[in-house]
Amino acid sequence: DQQVKQNSPSLSVQEGRISILNCDYTNSMFDYFLWYKKYPAEGPTFLISISSIKDKNEDGRFTVFLNKSAKHLSLHIVPSQPGDSAVYFCAASGNTGNQFYFGTGTSLTVIP
Amino acid sequence: DAGVTQSPTHLIKTRGQHVTLRCSPISGHKSVSWYQQVLGQGPQFIFQYYEKEERGRGNFPDRFSARQFPNYSSELNVNALLLGDSALYLCASSLAQGAYSFSYNEQFFGPGTRLTVL
Repeated sequence: DQQVKQNSPSLSVQEGRISILNCDYTNSMFDYFLWYKKYPAEGPTFLISISSIKDKNEDGRFTVFLNKSAKHLSLHIVPSQPGDSAVYFCAASGNTGNQFYFGTGTSLTVIP
Repeated sequence: DAGVTQSPTHLIKTRGQHVTLRCSPISGHKSVSWYQQVLGQGPQFIFQYYEKEERGRGNFPDRFSARQFPNYSSELNVNALLLGDSALYLCASSLAQGAYSFSYNEQFFGPGTRLTVL
């Protein structure tokens, strides 16, 4: 049973434009949400996180928005750069932090 | 600073064999988690160990086992391999587990071990 879902397997965006990656979850007990970026032949790299007490967290070009009532989060990348091309995974955990549930990933291609 | 290291990088086994995968966490990290990533899917949680004790287990059969050593390194063992065990096995380390500050739970991943079962 997939508790974290990324319904868009791929996304293409022009360089300089905004990339919006979406993630939905089903478990209302999730307290902590993360985005990871993965290049081929490498492990996922932590990008940005948000706890359930916030609805927005920003780090440079990356902003994560959390809508708890809709059980939805999104990652905005502005402006998008060709180096952002990678697979992006969202993940969630409860307040024990001992198990993370990952989505299936969205492959982002930023076109120069 | 060295990141999370895993060995071997690639492994080929046949059905029914046993495999041991190894992971060394980032220095100072006491928690190690193991994930299985099948092609086209996200990582699936297998185990978490903290201070040498199992603290979490995902929905995997008893053929999967793990342990953590006093130096916080970890091994994942899989017995009686099946074709469906072919995957990328990822290890992640974090400072702590279940800490009040969520930043302690942020996981740093190794490059993974690619296991192919023939």
